[in-house]
Amino acid sequence: DAKTTQPPSMDCAEGRAANLPCNHSTISGNEYVYWYRQIHSQGPQYIIHGLKNNETNEMASLIITEDRKSSTLILPHATLRDTAVYYCIVRVSGYSGGGADGLTFGKGTHLIIQP
Amino acid sequence: EAGVTQFPSHSVIEKGQTVTLRCDPISGHDNLYWYRRVMGKEIKFLLHFVKESKQDESGMPNNRFLAERTGGTYSTLKVQPAELEDSGVYFCASSLYRGQGETQYFGPGTRLLVL
Repeated sequence: DAKTTQPPSMDCAEGRAANLPCNHSTISGNEYVYWYRQIHSQGPQYIIHGLKNNETNEMASLIITEDRKSSTLILPHATLRDTAVYYCIVRVSGYSGGGADGLTFGKGTHLIIQP
Repeated sequence: EAGVTQFPSHSVIEKGQTVTLRCDPISGHDNLYWYRRVMGKEIKFLLHFVKESKQDESGMPNNRFLAERTGGTYSTLKVQPAELEDSGVYFCASSLYRGQGETQYFGPGTRLLVL
């Protein structure tokens, strides 16, 4: 799986949009971009994923650049409960083996929502 | 619908003892994954089941770890004998299918402390 690069930490004011960047310059054509988050002491929580097009669901929006080398996760109206570590992960579809079946978690971005 | 459940939530054992962790995936999910985070490290993939078969176990650290999924429903992860470095949080995840846009749903984890 391709490697991703994320800032180690970010602050955002409550009620504002939180924009979390991710670089994945070596992404392959068949790799999806996934975002998960881990709120303290809980299991990772799925947020959103995409291949080429921008995606939106009830939690967030995912903006992927045209060359697919970077993406941005947007939490439109951040709340204190959004404080968490956010992971950007790229992953192939289908069975791969060799460890590629699993998600590769990096260090992520620690997002802190300020009241 | 119930999410992924894990038992126990916490376990404290002495070095050399045996511990068995259990994971109940979301009903109907054929894919089951084990991950772990040891102190100060990132979340790492351990192995992947498709129904009762091990699809990818390349992340298993050594032969002290044994995972089973008899009948393709719940899974167990046994550590025998446990060592100090096995301390950490063990997560289980499940998904409906392993293909384009697969989404893994995680359980709350089992916190293992080996003394």
